[in-house]
Order: sequence, then C-alpha cells, then structure tokens
Amino acid sequence: QVQLVQSGAEVKKPGASVKVSCKASGYTPNSYGISWVRQAPGQGLEWMGWISVYNGNTDYAQKFQGRITVTTDTSTSTTYMELRSLRSDDTAVYYCARSLARIVAVAYAFDYWGQGTLVTVSP
Amino acid sequence: EIVLTQSPGTLSLSPGERATLSCRASQSVGSSYLAWYQQKPGQAPRLLIYGASSRATGFPDRFSGSGSGTDFTLTITRLEPEDFAVYYCQQYGSSPFTFGQGTKLEIK
Repeated sequence: QVQLVQSGAEVKKPGASVKVSCKASGYTPNSYGISWVRQAPGQGLEWMGWISVYNGNTDYAQKFQGRITVTTDTSTSTTYMELRSLRSDDTAVYYCARSLARIVAVAYAFDYWGQGTLVTVSP
Repeated sequence: EIVLTQSPGTLSLSPGERATLSCRASQSVGSSYLAWYQQKPGQAPRLLIYGASSRATGFPDRFSGSGSGTDFTLTITRLEPEDFAVYYCQQYGSSPFTFGQGTKLEIK
C-alpha cells in the first residue's frame, strides 16, 4: 500500500536549519510529485513547495523563497525539505503529500499524506 | 494568489442532519481544480473530494462536492459520528496552492 513515512520530531534554535525527510513506498515514485504543507498549532494548512520526483523541477511559495529547498533522492525514494533561518513562527507540523503532478506542480490534488513531523523552534 | 474563504467557521449539527460547507475563491479556479480534505485531531488531512465533485476512495456517497468558478460546496447528508472533523478546501490549479481556513464541523 502507498505510504509516506516522515522523519521524527525536531527541536531547533532560532536561526538554525531543519531538514525533514519523507520516504515513499508502495508506488512508482517518479510518476508523482511531492508537496510540503505545514500546519502551525491550532491553525490551518499552508502549502510550501513541490518537487517533481521525475525530473527534479521545483515550485516554491513566494513566502518561503530563499529559505526552502526541496530535493529528492531517487535511489532511496526519499524527498527532503530543508527550511533555513528558522523563527519561532516556523513551529508547526510539516507534512509531505503526494500528487500525480509529474512535470509541473498544478492540476492534481494531494491523495496521500505523510504522518507529519513536528518542528519546534525555541530559544 | 487565489484566496479561499470558507464558511461558516464552525458548524454545529446533530448526527443524522445535513451539513453544507461553502468555499469561495477570490478568482476563478481553473478547470475546477478544487479539493476538499477532512482532518481529524492528531491526524494528517485526508483527500475527500477532487475536481470539485469527484469523491476520493474510501468515502461514502453521503459526501458530495459541487460548484465551479468561484463558488464551491461540500455537502454531507445524514451526518454520522465519524464525520465530525475539520474540512479544508484547496485550489491546485494555480501556484501557490492555497487552502481555505477550514470549517470545524462539531456535534451539537
């Protein structure tokens, strides 16, 4: 069955970086793209960016441009999201989510989600 | 950026009743690239509706989606106890892919 398994919780200091992983199984990864979505405590969902596992194309939300890098390692079917210059308001659960978007990010909803990774930013 | 506004913020209903949730976009959502997700406490969101009206695997037919352009609706007929959750709409036709702020469906 399709699974997206994310890395464990992280605690970081302001100004640090965090790298969250998302390992895919149960399907052919390069037929899909992976998006990253975050959810601050008690808040809604916020899309951060996307990567094509097929060719490495990326698309980032303007809000995160310059601070986010999403990469993929096809040999291990793992996608990574790195967020730099962390602030307290980056404290959130970070989710990876799959979509059929293979070449460009648009046109497909997110049909499977990882379990989420809590990132806490605290002095 | 397309802004999605969901209403109401909280909907209090009893099991067996009908729920109608609204999602309004600040500009037209191309090709009805509008999805609804269900999220229960401590869980990841789960795809419920895509393409504005297609039901995802695993959801019963008491869930239905409708709408086009800027106005979309999620309807749940005959609420079951497991349906009480937070529902988010999302547009995925134009980057950045935005979500509504959510509607909390709670037991009255």
